[in-house]
Amino acid sequence: DAGVTQSPTHLIKTRGQQVTLRCSPKSGHDTVSWYQQALGQGPQFIFQYYEEEERQRGNFPDRFSGHQFPNYSSELNVNALLLGDSALYLCASSSPLDTGYGYTFGSGTRLTVV
Amino acid sequence: AQSVAQPEDQVNVAEGNPLTVKCTYSVSGNPYLFWYVQYPNRGLQFLLKYITGDNLVKGSYGFEAEFNKSQTSFHLKKPSALVSDSALYFCAVGNAGKSTFGDGTTLTVKP
Repeated sequence: DAGVTQSPTHLIKTRGQQVTLRCSPKSGHDTVSWYQQALGQGPQFIFQYYEEEERQRGNFPDRFSGHQFPNYSSELNVNALLLGDSALYLCASSSPLDTGYGYTFGSGTRLTVV
Repeated sequence: AQSVAQPEDQVNVAEGNPLTVKCTYSVSGNPYLFWYVQYPNRGLQFLLKYITGDNLVKGSYGFEAEFNKSQTSFHLKKPSALVSDSALYFCAVGNAGKSTFGDGTTLTVKP
C-alpha cells in the first residue's frame, strides 16, 4: 500500500523565482494538506484541499497557492520566492471518513532559496 | 484558536529507563490530540491519538500517552526506552482538517 509520495525531494531556487511541489496521497485518501516546517520548528499549516477545492487555509500569503487534481494528487505553488521560504514542505493525506485519525505524511521536499 | 506547548526542547534518558515527553494544549471544545515522531530528513510518522474514551492511549512502538483534561496535558510515555527511540517528537491538537503542532522535543536515549 503506497504511502504519500512527494517530488522532488530537494531543490534549490533563486529569490524571485517560482516553484511547484507535487504530492500523491496515500491510497484511499482524498484530502491533502500542506505544511511548512522551518528548521527547528514544528510544521505550520498552509492549506488543505478536498474535492479539488481549498477548504482551509493557514496564515500564509497569497504567494502560496495550490491545486488538487481529480485523482486526488496535489500541487503546491510558491511565487516570488523569498529566502524565508526555505523549509521542508510536507504533504499529508487523510480521509474525512477517518475524522480525527490523523495524517499520513510524505517525506517532504527540502526547498532552499538562495 | 488552538495551540500546543512542548516545554522541553530536549529530553535525555538512559536506555531501559522510563521516558516522558510533555505536552500541554489549548483548544475550545473537545480536543483531538496526536503524537508524531520525525527521524532526520523524513516526514512525520503517526504514533497515537486521543479522540475520546480512556485517558490512557496506547500507540505504536510501545508508546502510550495520558490525557488529563483538568491539566490540559497529553504527555507521551514509554516504560522502557530504547536507543532507537531517539528522534524528534511532536504533539499536535486538532483533527485531520487542520492540526496545530508544537515545536517538538528531541529525545535522546543513551546506551
